[in-house]
Amino acid sequence: NAGVMQNPRHLVRRRGQEARLRCSPMKGHSHVYWYRQLPEEGLKFMVYLQKENIIDESGMPKERFSAEFPKEGPSILRIQQVVRGDSAAYFCASSPGRPSYEQYFGPGTRLTVT
Amino acid sequence: QQPVQSPQAVILREGEDAVINCSSSKALYSVHWYRQKHGEAPVFLMILLKGGEQKGHEKISASFNEKKQQSSLYLTASQLSYSGTYFCGTEDVQGAQKLVFGQGTRLTINP
Repeated sequence: NAGVMQNPRHLVRRRGQEARLRCSPMKGHSHVYWYRQLPEEGLKFMVYLQKENIIDESGMPKERFSAEFPKEGPSILRIQQVVRGDSAAYFCASSPGRPSYEQYFGPGTRLTVT
Repeated sequence: QQPVQSPQAVILREGEDAVINCSSSKALYSVHWYRQKHGEAPVFLMILLKGGEQKGHEKISASFNEKKQQSSLYLTASQLSYSGTYFCGTEDVQGAQKLVFGQGTRLTINP
Protein backbone atom coordinates (compact mmCIF):
# COMPACT_ATOMS: atom_id res chain seq x y z
CA ASN A 1 0.00 0.00 0.00
CA ALA A 2 1.74 3.12 -1.23
CA GLY A 3 2.12 5.94 1.24
CA VAL A 4 1.28 9.59 0.79
CA MET A 5 3.06 10.96 -2.25
CA GLN A 6 4.12 14.52 -2.81
CA ASN A 7 5.77 16.17 -5.75
CA PRO A 8 7.96 17.81 -6.46
CA ARG A 9 10.25 17.05 -3.54
CA HIS A 10 12.21 20.24 -4.09
CA LEU A 11 10.98 23.36 -5.82
CA VAL A 12 12.88 26.55 -6.51
CA ARG A 13 10.96 29.65 -7.53
CA ARG A 14 11.91 33.26 -8.03
CA ARG A 15 10.01 35.96 -6.23
CA GLY A 16 6.74 36.67 -8.01
CA GLN A 17 6.38 33.24 -9.60
CA GLU A 18 3.74 30.65 -8.81
CA ALA A 19 4.36 27.43 -6.90
CA ARG A 20 2.16 24.35 -7.28
CA LEU A 21 2.55 21.52 -4.80
CA ARG A 22 0.83 18.21 -5.34
CA CYS A 23 -0.28 15.55 -2.90
CA SER A 24 -1.72 12.10 -3.57
CA PRO A 25 -3.22 10.58 -0.41
CA MET A 26 -2.86 6.99 0.65
CA LYS A 27 -5.19 4.57 -1.06
CA GLY A 28 -8.56 4.61 0.64
CA HIS A 29 -7.97 7.97 2.33
CA SER A 30 -10.37 10.75 1.45
CA HIS A 31 -9.14 13.44 3.82
CA VAL A 32 -6.11 15.60 3.14
CA TYR A 33 -4.31 18.12 5.32
CA TRP A 34 -1.56 20.60 4.48
CA TYR A 35 1.01 21.77 7.03
CA ARG A 36 3.93 24.18 6.74
CA GLN A 37 7.18 23.82 8.63
CA LEU A 38 9.84 26.49 8.90
CA PRO A 39 13.41 25.41 9.70
CA GLU A 40 13.82 24.25 13.29
CA GLU A 41 10.14 24.87 14.03
CA GLY A 42 7.01 22.79 14.48
CA LEU A 43 4.29 22.05 11.98
CA LYS A 44 1.63 24.68 11.37
CA PHE A 45 -1.78 23.63 10.11
CA MET A 46 -2.87 25.30 6.90
CA VAL A 47 -5.94 23.60 5.45
CA TYR A 48 -8.08 20.46 5.70
CA LEU A 49 -9.90 19.18 2.61
CA GLN A 50 -12.15 16.35 1.59
CA LYS A 51 -12.94 15.50 -2.00
CA GLU A 52 -14.19 18.71 -3.68
CA ASN A 53 -14.63 20.46 -0.33
CA ILE A 54 -12.54 22.73 1.86
CA ILE A 55 -13.45 21.83 5.43
CA ASP A 56 -11.15 24.11 7.42
CA GLU A 57 -8.81 26.73 5.97
CA SER A 58 -8.24 28.67 9.16
CA GLY A 59 -4.46 28.32 8.84
CA MET A 60 -4.17 29.55 5.28
CA PRO A 61 -2.94 33.08 4.63
CA LYS A 62 -5.82 35.08 3.19
CA GLU A 63 -3.97 36.12 0.08
CA ARG A 64 -1.91 34.26 -2.51
CA PHE A 65 -2.58 30.80 -1.07
CA SER A 66 -5.26 28.39 -2.26
CA ALA A 67 -5.89 24.67 -2.05
CA GLU A 68 -8.11 22.19 -3.81
CA PHE A 69 -8.83 18.48 -3.77
CA PRO A 70 -10.73 17.65 -6.95
CA LYS A 71 -12.89 14.61 -7.51
CA GLU A 72 -10.16 13.14 -9.66
CA GLY A 73 -6.46 13.69 -9.16
CA PRO A 74 -4.21 14.92 -6.41
CA SER A 75 -4.72 17.72 -3.95
CA ILE A 76 -2.94 20.91 -4.96
CA LEU A 77 -1.60 23.71 -2.82
CA ARG A 78 -1.04 26.80 -4.91
CA ILE A 79 1.01 29.80 -3.91
CA GLN A 80 0.84 32.79 -6.19
CA GLN A 81 3.46 35.54 -6.39
CA VAL A 82 5.80 33.80 -3.98
CA VAL A 83 7.93 35.81 -1.56
CA ARG A 84 11.06 34.80 0.36
CA GLY A 85 9.00 34.21 3.50
CA ASP A 86 7.18 31.37 1.73
CA SER A 87 10.36 29.29 1.78
CA ALA A 88 9.57 26.28 3.95
CA ALA A 89 8.80 22.59 3.89
CA TYR A 90 5.19 21.88 3.00
CA PHE A 91 3.84 18.56 4.21
CA CYS A 92 0.68 16.86 3.19
CA ALA A 93 -1.03 14.24 5.37
CA SER A 94 -3.98 11.99 4.76
CA SER A 95 -6.38 10.00 6.88
CA PRO A 96 -9.31 7.69 6.19
CA GLY A 97 -11.61 10.23 7.78
CA ARG A 98 -12.80 8.45 10.87
CA PRO A 99 -12.91 10.93 13.73
CA SER A 100 -9.47 11.53 15.18
CA TYR A 101 -7.85 8.78 13.20
CA GLU A 102 -4.14 9.03 12.65
CA GLN A 103 -2.77 11.23 9.91
CA TYR A 104 0.02 9.88 7.72
CA PHE A 105 2.48 12.35 6.31
CA GLY A 106 4.09 12.52 2.90
CA PRO A 107 7.79 13.27 2.37
CA GLY A 108 7.16 16.98 1.91
CA THR A 109 8.00 19.58 -0.71
CA ARG A 110 10.84 21.92 0.14
CA LEU A 111 10.14 25.27 -1.44
CA THR A 112 12.96 27.74 -1.86
CA VAL A 113 12.20 31.24 -3.07
CA THR A 114 15.16 33.13 -4.48
CA GLN B 1 -3.27 27.57 21.85
CA GLN B 2 -0.08 25.77 20.89
CA PRO B 3 0.63 22.92 23.32
CA VAL B 4 3.83 23.21 25.30
CA GLN B 5 6.31 20.36 25.23
CA SER B 6 8.95 19.62 27.82
CA PRO B 7 11.81 19.16 27.90
CA GLN B 8 12.92 21.03 24.78
CA ALA B 9 15.85 18.69 24.34
CA VAL B 10 17.26 15.61 26.02
CA ILE B 11 20.40 13.56 25.56
CA LEU B 12 20.49 9.94 26.62
CA ARG B 13 22.72 6.92 26.39
CA GLU B 14 21.39 3.89 24.59
CA GLY B 15 19.23 1.83 26.92
CA GLU B 16 18.08 4.71 29.10
CA ASP B 17 14.48 5.83 29.46
CA ALA B 18 12.89 9.13 28.47
CA VAL B 19 9.62 10.90 29.16
CA ILE B 20 8.32 13.70 26.96
CA ASN B 21 5.43 15.82 28.14
CA CYS B 22 2.78 17.79 26.26
CA SER B 23 0.51 20.28 28.02
CA SER B 24 -2.40 22.28 26.68
CA SER B 25 -4.36 25.21 28.03
CA LYS B 26 -7.49 23.86 26.33
CA ALA B 27 -9.58 20.77 26.93
CA LEU B 28 -8.47 18.09 24.50
CA TYR B 29 -10.25 15.40 22.57
CA SER B 30 -7.16 13.62 21.31
CA VAL B 31 -3.37 13.77 21.36
CA HIS B 32 -1.21 12.51 18.50
CA TRP B 33 2.50 11.81 18.78
CA TYR B 34 4.97 11.90 15.90
CA ARG B 35 8.72 11.50 15.48
CA GLN B 36 10.60 13.39 12.81
CA LYS B 37 14.17 12.84 11.74
CA HIS B 38 16.10 15.67 10.15
CA GLY B 39 14.95 16.32 6.60
CA GLU B 40 12.27 13.64 6.71
CA ALA B 41 8.51 13.46 7.16
CA PRO B 42 6.93 13.09 10.59
CA VAL B 43 6.16 9.45 11.38
CA PHE B 44 3.05 8.52 13.33
CA LEU B 45 3.70 6.91 16.71
CA MET B 46 0.63 7.02 18.88
CA ILE B 47 -2.84 8.46 19.20
CA LEU B 48 -4.67 8.85 22.50
CA LEU B 49 -8.35 9.59 22.58
CA LYS B 50 -10.55 11.07 25.27
CA GLY B 51 -12.06 8.20 27.13
CA GLY B 52 -8.90 6.15 27.18
CA GLU B 53 -8.69 4.55 23.77
CA GLN B 54 -5.12 4.32 22.59
CA LYS B 55 -3.63 3.28 19.28
CA GLY B 56 0.07 2.87 18.61
CA HIS B 57 2.51 0.90 16.58
CA GLU B 58 5.89 0.67 18.23
CA LYS B 59 7.31 -0.28 21.62
CA ILE B 60 6.36 3.13 22.92
CA SER B 61 3.68 3.92 25.45
CA ALA B 62 1.85 7.07 26.37
CA SER B 63 -0.66 8.45 28.80
CA PHE B 64 -3.40 11.05 28.49
CA ASN B 65 -4.65 12.88 31.56
CA GLU B 66 -7.83 14.57 30.37
CA LYS B 67 -8.35 16.55 33.55
CA LYS B 68 -4.88 18.04 33.47
CA GLN B 69 -4.95 18.38 29.68
CA GLN B 70 -1.61 16.65 29.50
CA SER B 71 -0.07 13.74 27.68
CA SER B 72 3.25 12.00 28.24
CA LEU B 73 5.22 9.79 25.88
CA TYR B 74 7.37 7.07 27.45
CA LEU B 75 10.39 5.68 25.65
CA THR B 76 11.90 2.76 27.51
CA ALA B 77 15.25 1.13 26.85
CA SER B 78 15.94 3.69 24.14
CA GLN B 79 17.64 2.65 20.93
CA LEU B 80 19.80 4.70 18.60
CA SER B 81 16.94 4.74 16.11
CA TYR B 82 14.79 6.68 18.60
CA SER B 83 16.81 9.83 17.96
CA GLY B 84 14.83 12.63 16.38
CA THR B 85 12.40 15.39 17.23
CA TYR B 86 9.15 14.38 18.87
CA PHE B 87 6.00 16.40 18.31
CA CYS B 88 2.65 16.20 19.99
CA GLY B 89 -0.37 17.32 18.00
CA THR B 90 -3.58 18.13 19.81
CA GLU B 91 -7.19 18.16 18.71
CA ASP B 92 -9.59 20.06 20.95
CA VAL B 93 -12.85 19.26 19.20
CA GLN B 94 -13.95 15.78 18.21
CA GLY B 95 -13.91 15.50 14.47
CA ALA B 96 -12.09 18.78 13.90
CA GLN B 97 -9.13 16.80 12.58
CA LYS B 98 -6.97 19.91 12.64
CA LEU B 99 -3.87 19.21 14.70
CA VAL B 100 -2.07 21.95 16.60
CA PHE B 101 1.52 20.88 17.13
CA GLY B 102 3.89 21.66 19.95
CA GLN B 103 7.32 23.11 19.33
CA GLY B 104 9.00 19.72 19.52
CA THR B 105 11.41 17.86 21.81
CA ARG B 106 14.77 16.94 20.36
CA LEU B 107 15.95 13.55 21.56
CA THR B 108 19.55 12.45 21.03
CA ILE B 109 20.57 8.89 21.83
CA ASN B 110 24.28 8.24 22.12
CA PRO B 111 25.89 4.79 22.06
